[in-house]
Amino acid sequence: GAVVSQHPSRVICKSGTSVKIECRSLDFQATTMFWYRQFPKQSLMLMATSNEGSKATYEQGVEKDKFLINHASLTLSTLTVTSAHPEDSSFYICSAGGWNEQYFGPGTRLTVT
Amino acid sequence: QKEVEQNSGPLSVPEGAIASLNCTYSDRGSQSFFWYRQYSGKSPELIMFIYSNGDKEDGRFTAQLNKASQYVSLLIRDSQPSDSATYLCAVNSSGGSYIPTFGRGTSLIVHP
Repeated sequence: GAVVSQHPSRVICKSGTSVKIECRSLDFQATTMFWYRQFPKQSLMLMATSNEGSKATYEQGVEKDKFLINHASLTLSTLTVTSAHPEDSSFYICSAGGWNEQYFGPGTRLTVT
Repeated sequence: QKEVEQNSGPLSVPEGAIASLNCTYSDRGSQSFFWYRQYSGKSPELIMFIYSNGDKEDGRFTAQLNKASQYVSLLIRDSQPSDSATYLCAVNSSGGSYIPTFGRGTSLIVHP
């Protein structure tokens, strides 16, 4: 299967700061990437769909000004959590699509203190 | 609203038994069906996909699709404790959208 990487794997930041998470497709080009958030023992929640060269499409209830997504190339999408608060602490996972199936990155665990 | 339903479990089976995981979906036009495995604290890993009615086998895993009943299942033969995880069903709907709809997952526990 295809390989998707994420960086960093873990990050701790102070409330009010911003954090950038990178998602890379290593061995294929992904015109579409997805960003998910998962709280402990809960299901995946799709936050946004990231399309190369265009604005991301956000799911209802996700603040686009708080979660900035940039998909500058066919292999890189970034998610920036701006002005982070403790309630933003979660497991953030990206995925990239082949023709049909999705391949997930290893996830980034964000803790906001 | 496109829905994918799974029993949250936990489903507990003894080592060596067959584990049967089920998933139903609401969009009759759905085209593609996926099973992901997610270990605690890790991201999901694609283990099977199926597009056509019938069975698809890969090692100890068999995916079964019945579009008429809007039902997809995953069978795990000779279950091992290492199979203990949450299994997510995902469905790509009609219309060329590649945005999958995920079920909430079924927790599987394989006890020695």
